[in-house]
Amino acid sequence: GAGVSQSPSNKVTEKGKDVELRCDPISGHTALYWYRQSLGQGLEFLIYFQGNSAPDKSGLPSDRFSAERTGGSVSTLTIQRTQQEDSAVYLCASSLGQPGSLGIEQFFGPGTRLTVL
Amino acid sequence: AQSVSQHNHHVILSEAASLELGCNYSYGGTVNLFWYVQYPGQHLQLLLKYFSGDPLVKGIKGFEAEFIKSKFSFNLRKPSVQWSDTAEYFCAVRSVSGTYKYIFGTGTRLKVLA
Repeated sequence: GAGVSQSPSNKVTEKGKDVELRCDPISGHTALYWYRQSLGQGLEFLIYFQGNSAPDKSGLPSDRFSAERTGGSVSTLTIQRTQQEDSAVYLCASSLGQPGSLGIEQFFGPGTRLTVL
Repeated sequence: AQSVSQHNHHVILSEAASLELGCNYSYGGTVNLFWYVQYPGQHLQLLLKYFSGDPLVKGIKGFEAEFIKSKFSFNLRKPSVQWSDTAEYFCAVRSVSGTYKYIFGTGTRLKVLA
């Protein structure tokens, strides 16, 4: 079956511009996660959705970052007024979001590489 | 706050050598633990996970990990590595209570020499 997909795969933008990153989770997965992966920094948690609600937004670095999820499926991460330090790979993952061993496994997308000039 | 420490940032081994990658976490409650692997040019994928029960967990490709609760550790092991194990390995922890977010370590880059 189809995995997690993300678009675009690469995005180059100028400092100060807004960008939108999209994530299509696996069908039926209720939980969706956004991470940022910078060189040598591992995966930094940004936000977590259960359905359309976001119980944990604690990882969003600033108010320039926002995310939404509609219809319990597609999610968009928006970065306003991009800065050079926003350059990173943004990863999306989804999981069944149910109790139990199978429900906790995250499936990752290929990521969006964002470069802010 | 929860955190995950991976002490080895870069590891270089020859084929057939044994591997052990360290992972320690800080969290006092009940946790689930994971090792993910990212092969060059590929997505992150799950190697193995600890959910409950037997603390010795076996995963894909001959990897295993042992959860030692008293040491807050979940070290990854493989008795004999192959060139194809060259990848970056991430340890992660998820609290069973609260908001269920996952905290990842900074990763260990493993290079296996043929």
